[in-house]
Amino acid sequence: SAVISQKPSRDICQRGTSLTIQCQVDSQVTMMFWYRQQPGQSLTLIATANQGSEATYESGFVIDKFPISRPNLTFSTLTVSNMSPEDSSIYLCSTSDRAGTEAFFGQGTRLTVV
Amino acid sequence: DQQVKQNSPSLSVQEGRISILNCDYTNSMFDYFLWYKKYPAEGPTFLISISSIKDKNEDGRFTVFLNKSAKHLSLHIVPSQPGDSAVYFCAASDNGATNKLIFGTGTLLAVQP
Repeated sequence: SAVISQKPSRDICQRGTSLTIQCQVDSQVTMMFWYRQQPGQSLTLIATANQGSEATYESGFVIDKFPISRPNLTFSTLTVSNMSPEDSSIYLCSTSDRAGTEAFFGQGTRLTVV
Repeated sequence: DQQVKQNSPSLSVQEGRISILNCDYTNSMFDYFLWYKKYPAEGPTFLISISSIKDKNEDGRFTVFLNKSAKHLSLHIVPSQPGDSAVYFCAASDNGATNKLIFGTGTLLAVQP
């Protein structure tokens, strides 16, 4: 299984600012995903990070708010832009080798917006 | 529209007994199901999965049962141990090219010593 490292592990940010979360994998992976877990809620998929092309966003998430980069097969970033307290969540990076196999997760980034 | 549901937000079990966590889904296109365990301040850890071509998959103390006609799956942990105390999420995918996962709302399992 891939080892996934996320940075930062937690942050407290002022509203109106932006935060970029980094996800580094110790091996090349085909698929990378970004999820959000709001307080007391389930994990919700934000987008699929595509290597070398624009990310594919789920309903309710837009590129202007959550720009994503994936310059290679081992690294991706998620930016939470123009933050508000409603963005306070745990953000998780996930990888998968192929369809029909398990996905692995980083330890998450706990974001608090004040 | 919650496509994957875990109707029990919490479950308490005595050490050594069986823990049964349940999950229901609505989308008949789902054909691959997974269970994850999550401790506070950590990411979800993969436990066990099952494909829709099977009705049971076993791995050590963990067994997942799938009832496709009822759109229901369950995770059995036998025997339960205090270290099993965590939030358990079931997840489903339609096994398409993207391998996107739809998660349930989670069940907090507490195993009492």
